[in-house]
Amino acid sequence: ETGVTQSPTHLIKTRGQQVTLRCSSQSGHNTVSWYQQALGQGPQFIFQYYREEENGRGNFPPRFSGLQFPNYSSELNVNALELDDSALYLCASSLDRGRLYGYTFGSGTRLTVV
Amino acid sequence: GENVEQHPSTLSVQEGDSAVIKCTYSDSASNYFPWYKQELGKGPQLIIDIRSNVGEKKDQRIAVTLNKTAKHFSLHITETQPEDSAVYFCAAYPENSGGSNYKLTFGKGTLLTVNP
Repeated sequence: ETGVTQSPTHLIKTRGQQVTLRCSSQSGHNTVSWYQQALGQGPQFIFQYYREEENGRGNFPPRFSGLQFPNYSSELNVNALELDDSALYLCASSLDRGRLYGYTFGSGTRLTVV
Repeated sequence: GENVEQHPSTLSVQEGDSAVIKCTYSDSASNYFPWYKQELGKGPQLIIDIRSNVGEKKDQRIAVTLNKTAKHFSLHITETQPEDSAVYFCAAYPENSGGSNYKLTFGKGTLLTVNP
């Protein structure tokens, strides 16, 4: 059974650019959540996808968007990057929106905006 | 929305001592409380969890207690070892709230250092 894999592991972008982060969910999981973790802080919920539909969104602007594919993998897209977007982006997968079974996290993508 | 407070922010203990980390939550709809360990450069790893129908759960050297009335829960690590050094996060989750509320709300983390 494979875990949650994220790519790339590190990324450097320039302010104003766009970025796409990718996540492969754990085998058998149909739910993917994305979290932003600033340095020294706890992860903050961005949004969740359940069976290819957005199923909840945190306090993030519309320039943060996502997709979930039929194989339940997911992408996080961020447009018009700002310096404050520099963070570790975590993907977590689960079965049935996290109910009963909890979430498994990937190792994250470290995004640096310069 | 849910708010999770976690204390202390840093904790230093001697190898073999016990460590206790405490969290409080605000939303009575939260009923699932996982604890995660995050090592440098890695994602959070679930180490233990508890649901609101249980007051205590233990797994070898790790235990979690939950006081639903007071809305607080704690992580207890006994016989600490240097490899326990990491950042620990508590979180709260509403398993039965429905709608778009299925999300983990995390505390700000506790940096645990176990000195040999």
